Amino acid sequence: QSALTQPASVSGSSGQSITISCTGTNSDVGAYDYVSWYQHHPGKAPKLIIYDVNKRPSGVSNHFSGSKSGNTASLTISGLQAEDEADYYCCSYARSSREFGGGTRVFGGGTKLTVL
Amino acid sequence: EVQLVQSGAEMKKPGESLNISCRCSGYSFTTYWIGWVRQMPGKGLEWMGIIYPGDSDIRYSPSFQGQVTVSADKSISTAYLQWSSLKASDTAMYYCARRSDHGDPTAYDIWGQGTMITVSS
Repeated sequence: QSALTQPASVSGSSGQSITISCTGTNSDVGAYDYVSWYQHHPGKAPKLIIYDVNKRPSGVSNHFSGSKSGNTASLTISGLQAEDEADYYCCSYARSSREFGGGTRVFGGGTKLTVL
Repeated sequence: EVQLVQSGAEMKKPGESLNISCRCSGYSFTTYWIGWVRQMPGKGLEWMGIIYPGDSDIRYSPSFQGQVTVSADKSISTAYLQWSSLKASDTAMYYCARRSDHGDPTAYDIWGQGTMITVSS
């Protein structure tokens, strides 16, 4: 299973909006509405910010939003704040052989967000 | 409070065995899947496998099948990740995480603090 493709880095000014893409195939992102996004500050544990493509867990700010079109999922962060500076990872459910329960999970390579 | 507390950092030599733990508290251990995620130095997250402690149902990523062993001890609410013969390429941070009950199999809502494994001769 190859990693999903994310841009290595994105940047934006405080208050602006940015979008991070996550491109897979019709065996993962395109096949299931199971895409999640994680925010990862160095030295801390990853934090779930989006699941089921576009749902936010309780307590996660509504300036995070998710979407999907075909084989590409996207995370949009509106009204950038300094504390949004972190690494962001997408994760998709993916088809696998019956030996592996019929499905596996694959992460994207990660995107470093810099808030200017 | 729901918590996953992992065992401490380890420095091992190639060929040695290792068992790291993830002690879970604050919820019913047997009714949530626990997954393991690797992050090699300077690299991204990689999904390794998952266990359902209730019946020890285990699923591995094809990339990690045969490389590690996932297990759990219901009596002490602890999940484990084991290596029988470490390699230098196993050097990484390893996270355990609880799969959420939202239904999305990729959603992990509670994470351990991570265990750093260094394998060097």
